[in-house]
Amino acid sequence: GAGVSQSPSNKVTEKGKDVELRCDPISGHTALYWYRQSLGQGLEFLIYFQGNSAPDKSGLPSDRFSAERTGGSVSTLTIQRTQQEDSAVYLCASSQDGNTEAFFGQGTRLTVV
Amino acid sequence: RKEVEQDPGPFNVPEGATVAFNCTYSNSASQSFFWYRQDCRKEPKLLMSVYSSGNEDGRFTAQLNRASQYISLLIRDSKLSDSATYLCVGRGYNFNKFYFGSGTKLNVKP
Repeated sequence: GAGVSQSPSNKVTEKGKDVELRCDPISGHTALYWYRQSLGQGLEFLIYFQGNSAPDKSGLPSDRFSAERTGGSVSTLTIQRTQQEDSAVYLCASSQDGNTEAFFGQGTRLTVV
Repeated sequence: RKEVEQDPGPFNVPEGATVAFNCTYSNSASQSFFWYRQDCRKEPKLLMSVYSSGNEDGRFTAQLNRASQYISLLIRDSKLSDSATYLCVGRGYNFNKFYFGSGTKLNVKP
């Protein structure tokens, strides 16, 4: 399909390991967002990419978190030295530049054991 | 203060009831507005955009009040399938960034 694609859909990792989460946005969408959502909680903003502008990293909770967006398309969210509190669903969304809605991927459920 | 704020609920209503949610927004989240719906353990999905003049989509009506800086969602004739969390979203002028509210939970009971 032509929606936002995230992989993996589920990831179980040991505490202290690094993980990479991938987001493939809708083709042509210039804006890309990462959020995370803990069980029963609201969306927590992490990072926002818009075209060639510097990303808004204001939501990243610590320096263990980083994200890249290569070629204005695919994005990778990296969490280093994972902790149990990093367990959550990580959601990616993309939108066209302008006054249009954001579309979400199905998320990556990360469990740190 | 968060850019978009909502009452978390839950709102527990019987089938057939009319229910309304409000959310307030700040100046930084005031370019355009949306309501999203999120089912348990699923990703948020767009329910409807909110237009300045107000808009309706079947049983759902969205209103915008710029003077008081709030938007509302009215659901008429509630169905069991309307049970979900409803997220209010404001889009900012700064690079069109989206600001999500924390959601209002609706439980429609038989």
